[in-house]
Order: sequence, then structure tokens, then C-alpha cells
Amino acid sequence: NAGVTQTPKFRVLKTGQSMTLLCAQDMNHEYMYWYRQDPGMGLRLIHYSVGEGTTAKGEVPDGYNVSRLKKQNFLLGLESAAPSQTSVYFCAYNRGRDSPLHFGNGTRLTVT
Amino acid sequence: DQQVKQNSPSLSVQEGRISILNCDYTNSMFDYFLWYKKYPAEGPTFLISISSIKDKNEDGRFTVFLNKSAKHLSLHIVPSQPGDSAVYFCAASASGNTGKLIFGQGTTLQVKP
Repeated sequence: NAGVTQTPKFRVLKTGQSMTLLCAQDMNHEYMYWYRQDPGMGLRLIHYSVGEGTTAKGEVPDGYNVSRLKKQNFLLGLESAAPSQTSVYFCAYNRGRDSPLHFGNGTRLTVT
Repeated sequence: DQQVKQNSPSLSVQEGRISILNCDYTNSMFDYFLWYKKYPAEGPTFLISISSIKDKNEDGRFTVFLNKSAKHLSLHIVPSQPGDSAVYFCAASASGNTGKLIFGQGTTLQVKP
């Protein structure tokens, strides 16, 4: 999907390890989001940002931290990974508060 | 507490016929509703949306209907095509920021040639 690039695409972690997922955009969007998708549960909002230097909690923020030091990049961090964080993570943006979300292609994370 | 529910995990229709995907919600504060389509190994793609001040919105083969009194929305695809085979998610927003969405569990649509 155009608009945001997620890296890495796949990752396997051991319990307790840490990692950072990167979402990069080059369209100057203010609003960016991190969602996770689990089987049978749809997508759930983890954290979001309404501009450079701002972040806020979503529906399921526990176990994650985020940073938006530059407008172009929204980082999602796992300080101590747990098997419950095995999921597909999607970054998204919208062009304003009243416009629909557009998603990246996801990062598939497995925690063993 | 599932605020947005898609009670049919799967749906199979014949090419050329109508596909109807349903979604129910419980939160009366939701004021913006969207449908997304998702292919395997890709992110969800925005399909169509509707504001709570409307009861119908059309875009080509796709029409979304909203029944506020029943807290129910549906997506009609006419005519269905094999390329429409995907997982469809409905989503709702209540906060004035349409990026903060509550999603249903998804319905897998299979369109048979």
C-alpha cells in the first residue's frame, strides 16, 4: 500500500528480547497509528500520534512504547517481548481527522 | 465487550450475484463507519464509508447501508466478481478522529466463478 513503509516485514523474537518496528512515510501526514491484528479479533489500536513529538494510547497500549521524533517516522517498541505479542502489526495514516485510514503492508512478529 | 460484531465468519456467493456483508454495533456514540477489504499478506484497503447523518452511500459496485435504530450496517457488492474474494472488515469511530477505529472480526468472502 502506498503511503507508508513498514520494516521489518517478518521477525522472530525470543521471550524477553526487545525490538523496534519502523513506519516511515514521505507524504507529510500528521496522523499516524499502530494497530495489531490477531486471528478472530479484527484490528486493535495500540498507540497513535497526531503530530511530531506527540503520542497517545489506544485500545491496547500495554507492553508497547512509541516515539515520533520526526514527522516522517513512527516507531513502535517492545521492551520485553511476550508470546501474547505474537501478531501482525500494521502502521496506518490518515490525511486528517475526518478522512479514512490507509494501512501499510504489515510486520509479522512471532515471539517464542 | 465486542462493540462491533460481524457474526458471519464466512460467505460464499456465485460470480455475478449480490454479496451482502453485515455488521452490528452496540455503541450509540459511533458516528462514522467504514468498510475495509484485506487480501492475504497485505494491509487492509479502504473501500467505502458512511457518516451517521446518512443511511446510504454508493461507490460503483459497492453500497453501504446504515440503520441507526437497529445499530446495523451492511455492505452490498453487485455484481460480485472473483477478485472480490477477500476478508472484509467493518469499523466504527466515535471520537471525531476517524483513525481511532473499532474493528469487527472480519468476514471472509469467496466469490465462485
